[in-house]
Amino acid sequence: DADVTQTPRNRITKTGKRIMLECSQTKGHDRMYWYRQDPGLGLRLIYYSFDVKDINKGEISDGYSVSRQAQAKFSLSLESAIPNQTALYFCATSVATGKDEQFFGPGTRLTVL
Amino acid sequence: AQKITQTQPGMFVQEKEAVTLDCTYDTSDPSYGLFWYKQPSSGEMIFLIYQGSYDQQNATEGRYSLNFQKARKSANLVISASQLGDSAMYFCANREDTGRRALTFGSGTRLQVQP
Repeated sequence: DADVTQTPRNRITKTGKRIMLECSQTKGHDRMYWYRQDPGLGLRLIYYSFDVKDINKGEISDGYSVSRQAQAKFSLSLESAIPNQTALYFCATSVATGKDEQFFGPGTRLTVL
Repeated sequence: AQKITQTQPGMFVQEKEAVTLDCTYDTSDPSYGLFWYKQPSSGEMIFLIYQGSYDQQNATEGRYSLNFQKARKSANLVISASQLGDSAMYFCANREDTGRRALTFGSGTRLQVQP
């Protein structure tokens, strides 16, 4: 079944550590997105990519970097994690035609101590 | 810049009754899409319904319908015949059809269905 997967699903890390969150998709979509959700809030855009050579910042990109290794893979890195990056992180994909619905991965729950 | 406003932090509804979740939006793009997503306690984001800005009719998907009032910039979600499994957070989101085409989300409404 075509899907969007995220690894790890849960992660606890310490302040100052580097951490990578990975996203893979089998939908064949070109567009991929990383969002962050804080408790009681909606999702906010961190980075997005329209294809392997196209990476763009969202509203809250400070403290994050991304890598689009292939059409199917989009990784989010926290170079030096801090406690206020504790959140639920979602990857999403879409194809830019018609409704252009975004398909979300299951989320990664990240805790920075 | 886009903005989505959901003014109801929490709502209660009796099982089998209908409920309306409010959403207003602000966008400068003449072409856009409006989405509703459900987030149960397990955390995943589940797509419910979509309305395009040029669609003449309100969208419907099973028990979900979207009451789209373009002039008022509102896109309320109506859930008919509520079920216990409808208890969740509900998010309204807007996507402009130019540029990055990313979603801008509201802060959500927590719906609790009571037996």
